[in-house]
Amino acid sequence: GESVGLHLPTLSVQEGDNSIINCAYSNSASDYFIWYKQESGKGPQFIIDIRSNMDKRQGQRVTVLLNKTVKHLSLQIAATQPGDSAVYFCAENRHNFNKFYFGSGTKLNVKP
Amino acid sequence: KAGVTQTPRYLIKTRGQQVTLSCSPISGHRSVSWYQQTPGQGLQFLFEYFSETQRNKGNFPGRFSGRQFSNSRSEMNVSTLELGDSALYLCASSLGTSNEKLFFGSGTQLSVL
Repeated sequence: GESVGLHLPTLSVQEGDNSIINCAYSNSASDYFIWYKQESGKGPQFIIDIRSNMDKRQGQRVTVLLNKTVKHLSLQIAATQPGDSAVYFCAENRHNFNKFYFGSGTKLNVKP
Repeated sequence: KAGVTQTPRYLIKTRGQQVTLSCSPISGHRSVSWYQQTPGQGLQFLFEYFSETQRNKGNFPGRFSGRQFSNSRSEMNVSTLELGDSALYLCASSLGTSNEKLFFGSGTQLSVL
């Protein structure tokens, strides 16, 4: 399949620090990207999205950066809180209705 | 506004059986997509329905099928279950245009014994 989930990388940060989660996407034709947060026992929850005509988009405590040259996406979380502990996925869409390709995910651990 | 509702929450089946999972989208949403989530393969697209028609399909065998009703509710069916079908099945709804955010339900955890 398009999404390959092997070993889940883990990012551990101290409460109050900023977190940066990275994602490399595969297809230069992808034009819409979403970051999702998934807590244990729940479905993915929308965090922020960005379209390919933008480089940066900010939300509440979160910023997404898109580098189309190297096909790289990042999610920055400011002042990370214990409630931010979860698995984070990036998802890309190639203008194909709602068929998204998901990255393998990064687990974020926030230490109090 | 109620979120995406999936039933049942948990299912245990044996090999060879078939199973039907149900999804009620957010009110006003006309597109329903289904994804399979496993530790080994991550989140993989199964199919998408819009206005009772399958609009998109992933790379899964024909044992996986779905349908959508006139009220946008959707069901997916897996026939002749295999051990490898054990997974979290997630339903997501959206308004129905292209390149838009998906809203996910909590999923149905299927275990095949």
